[in-house]
Amino acid sequence: AQSVTQLGSHVSVSEGALVLLRCNYSSSVPPYLFWYVQYPNQGLQLLLKYTSAATLVKGINGFEAEFKKSETSFHLTKPSAHMSDAAEYFCAVRAFSGGSNYKLTFGKGTLLTVNP
Amino acid sequence: SQTIHQWPATLVQPVGSPLSLECTVEGTSNPNLYWYRQAAGRGLQLLFYSVGIGQISSEVPQNLSASRPQDRQFILSSKKLLLSDSGFYLCAGTSRLAKNIQYFGAGTRLSVL
Repeated sequence: AQSVTQLGSHVSVSEGALVLLRCNYSSSVPPYLFWYVQYPNQGLQLLLKYTSAATLVKGINGFEAEFKKSETSFHLTKPSAHMSDAAEYFCAVRAFSGGSNYKLTFGKGTLLTVNP
Repeated sequence: SQTIHQWPATLVQPVGSPLSLECTVEGTSNPNLYWYRQAAGRGLQLLFYSVGIGQISSEVPQNLSASRPQDRQFILSSKKLLLSDSGFYLCAGTSRLAKNIQYFGAGTRLSVL
């Protein structure tokens, strides 16, 4: 079975500071991992994905994440936070459920606040 | 690229009334489709998924049902809403060639009063 743990339900940073959102996963098979962002009252937007190619993955809006198998982690980072980055972020791991179906298991989310 | 359309954006319904939320996919064929419910602080809970017309798998027993009458249409329904059905409902779909990656609609905020 797959699971995802996001450490910290709420992270607060100053504008221009480093953003680090933590995600640890558990998977019985080589994982595919995803980060999604959700702005208030909107759907989820795919930020980036790891699909067994390069371990350092670059996404939209200047975010990147590094897959570390030894640590079972997939932390999301951005060198310099912008006010527009304030949102909720979800880490997810793919679970293969047979045939052509893949289900995602999501973490509980981390709310990022950016202070001026 | 594909787009997931959901409507309505918000809905207020009395307890005991029926529900029908619709999701349609544009830009791909033969998608896998998913309904999620999101509660504050609890992440996303997968309710139903479908790999084809008429094929529905339920993840949790509940007051809701789903149907897929057409390839790119996915409907979430209830005959009688409960207070506990309130929440934010999200539809997601994959493309025909990339079943691993789910794209989401804008969601429906349902309030049952």
